[in-house]
Order: sequence, then C-alpha cells, then structure tokens
Amino acid sequence: GAGVSQSPSNKVTEKGKDVELRCDPISGHTALYWYRQSLGQGLEFLIYFQGNSAPDKSGLPSDRFSAERTGGSVSTLTIQRTQQEDSAVYLCASSPQPLSGGAPFFGPGTRLTVL
Amino acid sequence: ILNVEQSPQSLHVQEGDSTNFTCSFPSSNFYALHWYRWETAKSPEALFVMTLNGDEKKKGRISATLNTKEGYSYLYIKGSQPEDSATYLCAFGAGGTSYGKLTFGQGTILTVHP
Repeated sequence: GAGVSQSPSNKVTEKGKDVELRCDPISGHTALYWYRQSLGQGLEFLIYFQGNSAPDKSGLPSDRFSAERTGGSVSTLTIQRTQQEDSAVYLCASSPQPLSGGAPFFGPGTRLTVL
Repeated sequence: ILNVEQSPQSLHVQEGDSTNFTCSFPSSNFYALHWYRWETAKSPEALFVMTLNGDEKKKGRISATLNTKEGYSYLYIKGSQPEDSATYLCAFGAGGTSYGKLTFGQGTILTVHP
C-alpha cells in the first residue's frame, strides 16, 4: 500500500454509543501508534504497539478506550459509551521500527464527532 | 509527564520573510527529536529526525538545529512562501522504558501572507 490508511474518515455518533476506528499501517512496519488531537490541543499519545511486545497503553484516557492489533498489522481503536469530550481527530502512524532510522508515517485521521 | 513546548503558538509573516520557531523538551533520557509539518486536511509529514547534539538538518528552505544538553531545537524557514503555511510540530522521542513513544508539542501555526 502507498501509506497508512484509516477508516472511516469521518464518524458522527451519539453520546453513549460505541465506535470502532480502523488503521491499516504500511506493510512491514512493526511499530504502530495512535494519537488524537482535540480542538485547540496538541497531539495526545494514546497507545503504541511494537511487534509482539505488550503495548504501551499509558496514554489511554479511560477504561472506555481500548485498542488491539491483529496479526501485527491492522489495528482497531474502540471507544465504548462515547462522551462529547471524545470528539477529536484520531491519528494512526506506523514506522519500520520505533524511532531509529526514520519518523513514523501518519494516516489521514478519523474525525470523530460525538453529539 | 513529559513537557514538550513550542513557541510561538502562532505566527503571521509576509511572503519572503524568514522565520523560526522553538521546541523545548526534557534534556534527560533523550533519544530523538522529530519535526513534522501538518497542513489542513492532510496527514502530518515528517521533515526531520535528529538524534545527535549539534545536529543540523536542511531540506530546501527549511533547516533545523538541535541542542540536547539544554533541551531545545529551532526550525528555520528562509524566504517564507504561502505554501509554507501549516502547523509545525515537534516530537520528543525518549529512550529507556519510554522507548518508542513520541510526545508532541502543541505546534506552531504559521500563516504566510502573499
């Protein structure tokens, strides 16, 4: 594939509903990151996967957020019982290996709006 | 909590002006410093990755310097053009137990007026 892809590009949901956001990283990239940008804020780290190691979940804001990465490739970020403060652009990035040798490549993001 | 700060928050310049922004980051546990450019409705695009104190990188009219001992990096744009208008982000990559995680600053929004 040409780059990191994310779906959907836009998602509008009602408060209390669950949502799933998908990320397809660049083939062969072992590191995968999720970030989000809320209105007026910087990029906030959520979670980081590296190969078969346990993910670094230290940025997940609450237990309503979870993420998995199947087969070391596609990742899904799930937000349960969405709240209005979850509205943000959710960005996924991947890199061949963490940090060394190059910067992560970002996808176009999913804009989530919780009404 | 890692503090990565960028200044100024926003900047308006005229076409042809040269400009620079600052990124400050922790001086301990440093692994890498990244600069990204983020245009509206596009993905953030990597500009530079710097790992060594004293590193200087250049890409066309854009260059960056790194001081890991004092914890800052500068991004310079020479002869700004309207197409340089974007948000410029820096990201601190830590070593040790945080290895792999990038902490971003809030960004500097640059607007170049024709």
